[in-house]
Amino acid sequence: DTAVSQTPKYLVTQMGNDKSIKCEQNLGHDTMYWYKQDSKKFLKIMFSYNNKELIINETVPNRFSPKSPDKAHLNLHINSLELGDSAVYFCASSESGGRSYNEQFFGPGTRLTVL
Amino acid sequence: AQSVSQHNHHVILSEAASLELGCNYSYGGTVNLFWYVQYPGQHLQLLLKYFSGDPLVKGIKGFEAEFIKSKFSFNLRKPSVQWSDTAEYFCAVKNSGGYQKVTFGIGTKLQVIP
Repeated sequence: DTAVSQTPKYLVTQMGNDKSIKCEQNLGHDTMYWYKQDSKKFLKIMFSYNNKELIINETVPNRFSPKSPDKAHLNLHINSLELGDSAVYFCASSESGGRSYNEQFFGPGTRLTVL
Repeated sequence: AQSVSQHNHHVILSEAASLELGCNYSYGGTVNLFWYVQYPGQHLQLLLKYFSGDPLVKGIKGFEAEFIKSKFSFNLRKPSVQWSDTAEYFCAVKNSGGYQKVTFGIGTKLQVIP
C-alpha cells in the first residue's frame, strides 16, 4: 500500500544514454512533483503537474521532459545523460485547491549514477 | 521570490541534549511552513507544519516548532534528542497563494551520539 512509488530505485548508466524514471501515487492527489537532490543534499524542485497540466517548470535543461499520462502518474525522461545529472530524484504528490498548506508526500527516490 | 536559509549545516549532539535548528525565510506574503526529516537512505517525511493559528506547532516524535512572524523564523526544537533522531532536517516554505511551489532549505545534518 505504498503511497508514492518510484521505479527504478537505482539507475546506473553511461553518458549520452536516454533513461526514464516512473512515479505513481495512490493517494488520490492531483498535484505531482519532481525534485533533484544533489550530493550535498540540496533539494530543488524541477517540475510540478496539476491534473496533468504543467504548472511549475524551473530552470531545467530541455533534456529533461516530464510526462503525466494521468493525474496518478508523473514520469521523467532524460535525454543525453550527463555526469552532472547524477543525483537522487524524488517524486512527490499533494492535494491542491485552496488548501495550500497541504503537505507533500515523497517517494523513496531514484538514485541515478551517470558514468 | 521566496527563499529559506538554515544556519546550522551540521549539528552533533549527545543523547538527551536539547535541540534547536534555525530556519529563516524570506517572502513578503502569507506563508505555510514545514519541517521535513530524511533518515539515512530514506525519503522525506513530514515532521510538522504551520499554516495558521497557534504559532507553536507540535509534530511527531516530540518535535515542535515556533513561527515568529516578526523574525521570519520557524525554528525546530526538541527537548531531549535520541540516537534515532540522527537524520537530515529540511525547513520548507510555501507561499499561500497560487500553485504550490515549495522551497526547501539546504538541510541540517543532525548526528546524535549515544
